[in-house]
Amino acid sequence: GENVEQHPSTLSVQEGDSAVIKCTYSDSASNYFPWYKQELGKRPQLIIDIRSNVGEKKDQRIAVTLNKTAKHFSLHITETQPEDSAVYFCAASDDKIIFGKGTRLHILP
Amino acid sequence: DTGVSQDPRHKITKRGQNVTFRCDPISEHNRLYWYRQTLGQGPEFLTYFQNEAQLEKSRLLSDRFSAERPKGSFSTLEIQRTEQGDSAMYLCASLRELGNTEAFFGQGTRLTVV
Repeated sequence: GENVEQHPSTLSVQEGDSAVIKCTYSDSASNYFPWYKQELGKRPQLIIDIRSNVGEKKDQRIAVTLNKTAKHFSLHITETQPEDSAVYFCAASDDKIIFGKGTRLHILP
Repeated sequence: DTGVSQDPRHKITKRGQNVTFRCDPISEHNRLYWYRQTLGQGPEFLTYFQNEAQLEKSRLLSDRFSAERPKGSFSTLEIQRTEQGDSAMYLCASLRELGNTEAFFGQGTRLTVV
C-alpha cells in the first residue's frame, strides 16, 4: 500500500533562516500532495498543497516542490518566524490520504 | 459552527468496553476519513467513505473496529472490546470530491482506555 516517508523528524532553525522538510511516497497513482501544520493540542490545518501536474507552488514564505519521477516532494519555509514552530505533516493522495510521521519544527530566537 | 465536528471530545473507558464516536462532516462534503493519531506520530489512516459507501479499510485495522456512514452524512466509529493500545486521538476529516480539494479535520476524540 501507499507509504509516505518524512524527514527529518525534528528540525531546529534560527529565526529568519529557512527550513526544508522532505517527503517521499511509494504509490505512483498519487496525484495530490498537501502539507498540514499542527500546533499543540489543535487539529491539523492545510498550509499548502500541490497537484501532480505542477512542479512548484509558492504562497508568500511557503513553497512546495514536486518531483514525480523521483516521487519526492518538499516544503520550504523562508524567513522563519516564532509562530512557524509546530509539527508539519506531508501527505500523498489518490483517493485516500496517507500522511507522513511528521516533522517537529523549532524556531530558535 | 460549520466545520467538522466530533463527539465526544474526550472518552475514558475501561478495558473491554465498547465505545462509539461520531463525526459530522461539512454538509456538502461527500468524502469522510477516519484517522488515529498517537503522541508524536502522524495521522494513521483507518478508513474512508464516499457518501455512504466505505471504500477502503486499513489492513492494519483490527476487526474490533467498525465504521458506518448510513445516510452519507454523519459517520460513527465503533471500537469493541477496547484495549489499552487503542488509547489515541481519533480524527475525522472531510472533503468535497472535486479533483482532490482540501480535507478539513475535526478536533478529534481523545480516547483513554484504563
